[in-house]
Amino acid sequence: ETGVTQTPRHLVMGMTNKKSLKCEQHLGHNAMYWYKQSAKKPLELMFVYNFKEQTENNSVPSRFSPECPNSSHLFLHLHTLQPEDSALYLCASSQVGGDQPQHFGDGTRLSIL
Amino acid sequence: KQEVTQIPAALSVPEGENLVLNCSFTDSAIYNLQWFRQDPGKGLTSLLLIQSSQREQTSGRLNASLDKSSGRSTLYIAASQPGDSATYLCAVRGGGATNKLIFGTGTLLAVQP
Repeated sequence: ETGVTQTPRHLVMGMTNKKSLKCEQHLGHNAMYWYKQSAKKPLELMFVYNFKEQTENNSVPSRFSPECPNSSHLFLHLHTLQPEDSALYLCASSQVGGDQPQHFGDGTRLSIL
Repeated sequence: KQEVTQIPAALSVPEGENLVLNCSFTDSAIYNLQWFRQDPGKGLTSLLLIQSSQREQTSGRLNASLDKSSGRSTLYIAASQPGDSATYLCAVRGGGATNKLIFGTGTLLAVQP
């Protein structure tokens, strides 16, 4: 596989469930990102990892817990979510340094019941 | 705080027309600006990236310009086709060590056959 792959593509969960989103990149990049895309709002950066270390947490509630075990994989662990957390969650990767474009996966569409 | 605005929010044109999408940003101290395309239910595809020292970038029928001092960028699409129908997003990266992107809300483009 090439590019950035996200699983699952769709997820429906109750507010008391625990689930995880997975992202894998096959581009040899060393930076990975989680974004949230809600209807009629700009994409919001959630977390940034450079060389497996978290360098940015954009005031994200603790019910979202990221994990980056290596430069190719990124997870977003979810627990006790709220209805307003329903959104498209996008993962991206790039080279550290920022003068190269970020490459995005197709996202996980999350619905909270 | 950097804010990115895209006008118009939606645009419908007949096939074959040349068109311009606009992006403005409030803080001119940017590192680069990136244009993306997003198809329904999909992630973002990078179209063009303009470094702060550059004035424009071209790829095929697409041309993006950057006027950093006035806080503006335009995406010019020549000879539009129905396959160009998508949401177009611009994003700016601030200066310094961060590789954080700030996104606009996008322009939804429909090219009518």
